Formats: sequence, structure tokens, C-alpha cells
Amino acid sequence: DVQMTQSPYNLAASPGESVSINCKASKSISKYLAWYQQKPGKANKLLIYDGSTLQSGIPSRFSGSGSGTDFTLTIRSLEPEDFGLYYCQQHNEYPWTFGGGTKLELK
Amino acid sequence: EVQLVESGGGLVQPGRSLKLSCAASGFTFSDYNMAWVRQAPTKGLEWVASISYGGSNTHYGDSVKGRFTISRDNAKSTLYLQMDSLRSEDTATYYCARPYGGFAYWGQGTLVTVSS
Repeated sequence: DVQMTQSPYNLAASPGESVSINCKASKSISKYLAWYQQKPGKANKLLIYDGSTLQSGIPSRFSGSGSGTDFTLTIRSLEPEDFGLYYCQQHNEYPWTFGGGTKLELK
Repeated sequence: EVQLVESGGGLVQPGRSLKLSCAASGFTFSDYNMAWVRQAPTKGLEWVASISYGGSNTHYGDSVKGRFTISRDNAKSTLYLQMDSLRSEDTATYYCARPYGGFAYWGQGTLVTVSS
């Protein structure tokens, strides 16, 4: 199985700042990585798929990069609604696997 | 608008069975693969199972293989998850999701608690 390792585990930032979350796969997954946002009481939201493709309706301040084993989610100019949990997930091969999550908190 | 609404969760004893349902609307259900993803309390997301649009191909996570069965009724636009031989570690919120380059749509989830 492909193990997905996310870092950091916790991240504190202020509105207006930019942050990056990293995801490392235990073997190459080509470009097939997705990023999600999870917030209490709301459906999980797909942000990025295929490593860098922005899902329809997602603000352009979110961007994804990387291929192979190393990927990054960058959020520019944080808005108050961006705080929450973020997960990466590989969709290259079964079993599909998720990273452990990153909690983005308000500083 | 795409909607996925899960139902069937609840409290069940270890070793017993439970069947979850996911009612889909807002899209042509029979055109899309579907999946179940779960999240144990305070834990991360775990993919459980997937099924092809026609129902002929299924895949399962190692932790549920041989105990859970994913199925669908395209005429009713409904996805199912039959869960047998339930264990305490199956306690989680179960989400129905539509995969396409990642899980583009999710339901709100239904909570399954396995406890005596």
C-alpha cells in the first residue's frame, strides 16, 4: 500500500499570510494526488486533484504542486474561512490512501 | 445540485450486521463510480470501498475485505454498504462519495457505533 505522510501536523497562521502543507508518498504516484478541506458541520471539500488541478468553484488562492512522491498545497492570503483540517489522498492505485491530516489554526 | 444523503447508521453490537444506504440526486447516478470513506472519532479519513458505475467491479480496503460488501441499485440511484462481523474498530462516521480525480462530492455522513 502507498503510505501518505503529511506535514506539519499543526500549523498556526494569521489571515493574510501564506502557508504550505506537504504530502509525501512512500512510492511514486505520478500526478495523482488530491487535497481536501474538512470543517465541522460541512461536507468535505475537494480542493485540488491530479496534483495541481483546481476543482471547480475553489478560489485561486489555493494551489497544488508536485509529482512523483512529493506534493505541496499552498494557500495564499489566508481568509478566515480557510482554517480547518486538510488531507491529501493518492488516487493512483488501490487501496486509495489518505495522509494523516494537517490542522490549520488561527494564530 | 449534487446531493448524497447517507442513512442506516446507529448502535450495533460486535459481531452483528448493519446496512448503510446513500441516496444520490442531482446527477445521472448510473454514469459514475461511487465509494465509501470512513472516519473514526478524532482520526483521519480512510477509504473503505469503491464500485464501478455498472456495479461489476468492486474494490475494498484491507481492513474490511471479506466483511463488507458495496453494491448499488442504479434504478433507485442508491449506493449500499453491507457491513457484517462488525468490530469496535469499525466505529466511525461513514461517508458516501463520488470519485473522479479525487472525491469531488461527499455526503454529510452517518455514524456507526459498534459497542456492547
